[in-house]
Amino acid sequence: DSGVTQTPKHLITATGQRVTLRCSPRSGDLSVYWYQQSLDQGLQFLIQYYNGEERAKGNILERFSAQQFPDLHSELNLSSLELGDSALYFCASSASGQGPSYEQYFGPGTRLTVT
Amino acid sequence: AQKVTQAQTEISVVEKEDVTLDCVYETRDTTYYLFWYKQPPSGELVFLIRRNSFDEQNEISGRYSWNFQKSTSSFNFTITASQVVDSAVYFCALSGRVRFQGAQKLVFGQGTRLTINP
Repeated sequence: DSGVTQTPKHLITATGQRVTLRCSPRSGDLSVYWYQQSLDQGLQFLIQYYNGEERAKGNILERFSAQQFPDLHSELNLSSLELGDSALYFCASSASGQGPSYEQYFGPGTRLTVT
Repeated sequence: AQKVTQAQTEISVVEKEDVTLDCVYETRDTTYYLFWYKQPPSGELVFLIRRNSFDEQNEISGRYSWNFQKSTSSFNFTITASQVVDSAVYFCALSGRVRFQGAQKLVFGQGTRLTINP
């Protein structure tokens, strides 16, 4: 158990809908990351938050947004869903600072199926 | 730009054989960090190891060992006396030095699916 929790574990929804994925980081970790894993794209970094502020952005679609709340949990919002958004979405957390790149601990993932 | 290449898409061996998973990386950073993660059939990603670019010593942890060679930009992973429980997808990943407080991302390779047959 990595200490990172994600809910829900599975999500099935229709095209055009909006969903919210939730993540709670390990105790003490200030950084939260979101990744998307799909068969064609592999594991892709989406976005990172550090202590409530956005810190790094990857190939995240404009239809997707995220935030990190004062209690450090994070939510990833996916809207106007398309079939191609079906994927496994991971949240990860790490200790953070300036200089070393720390290992990231991953949650169990949310499997999103868009029908 | 940073890039990680895992040329072996799938490897299948018989239990107790040794197996090496290859990882080649590209980066312009002089300080960088390399990682290996395991994704078993249950789907979670499990952290295995982190190495920084200043430390080229090989590392051994039980049946697992890692060979980091800066000269060839490689960070290979060897499992000795493989077991069925080692069956998983293994990912190599790369991260640069964190220049801005908290800003960090991992660039992953495409993964190698390892199957250990009894």
